[in-house]
Amino acid sequence: EDQVTQSPEALRLQEGESSSLNCSYTVSGLRGLFWYRQDPGKGPEFLFTLYSAGEEKEKERLKATLTKKESFLHITAPKPEDSATYLCAVQAYVGGGADGLTFGKGTHLIIQP
Amino acid sequence: EPEVTQTPSHQVTQMGQEVILRCVPISNHLYFYWYRQILGQKVEFLVSFYNNEISEKSEIFDDQFSVERPDGSNFTLKIRSTKLEDSAMYFCASRPGGETQYFGPGTRLLVL
Repeated sequence: EDQVTQSPEALRLQEGESSSLNCSYTVSGLRGLFWYRQDPGKGPEFLFTLYSAGEEKEKERLKATLTKKESFLHITAPKPEDSATYLCAVQAYVGGGADGLTFGKGTHLIIQP
Repeated sequence: EPEVTQTPSHQVTQMGQEVILRCVPISNHLYFYWYRQILGQKVEFLVSFYNNEISEKSEIFDDQFSVERPDGSNFTLKIRSTKLEDSAMYFCASRPGGETQYFGPGTRLLVL
């Protein structure tokens, strides 16, 4: 069974204080690892897709990295508008069309001004 | 930028009633999904749909649930006889040929 564990569950930072969020995963064969941002009462907003160990992607203050067992979402000099819940999800290789995502519980990030 | 849309944004129903949640996926996307998120819990996969048939479903997606693509734009989730535990946010998602799934804003379903 595919599993995704995110840590910490919650993180409070001062504006400008950089940090990293962790996503550990267990999957039979990784087809893709995804990072989403979710604001309260809203749907997940796509951030990054990573496919293979060693891959990195960046967008503004966010950078996602991937190893064979975990992914990190690094946030550099965050601003209050970066406050949200960050979700990690994996997609496994299972036959031809099976592609439901398995999500972690998320990290609730608060950036204080 | 194209977005997945969902209606209604909120739905309140009585236990045992049927509900239909509607989604308009992004145009030209080929794969469609439903997920749910019970308050305070993680997002859970329900079902995927491709080429007018279900391609995968989770254990949650039992006989009370059904999906349909009645025309070229809409994708619906029907719950035949709602239970209290069906109260959740329901998200529709779609993707083109690539792997990334794009989510809609959700329908908050409350079963009384």
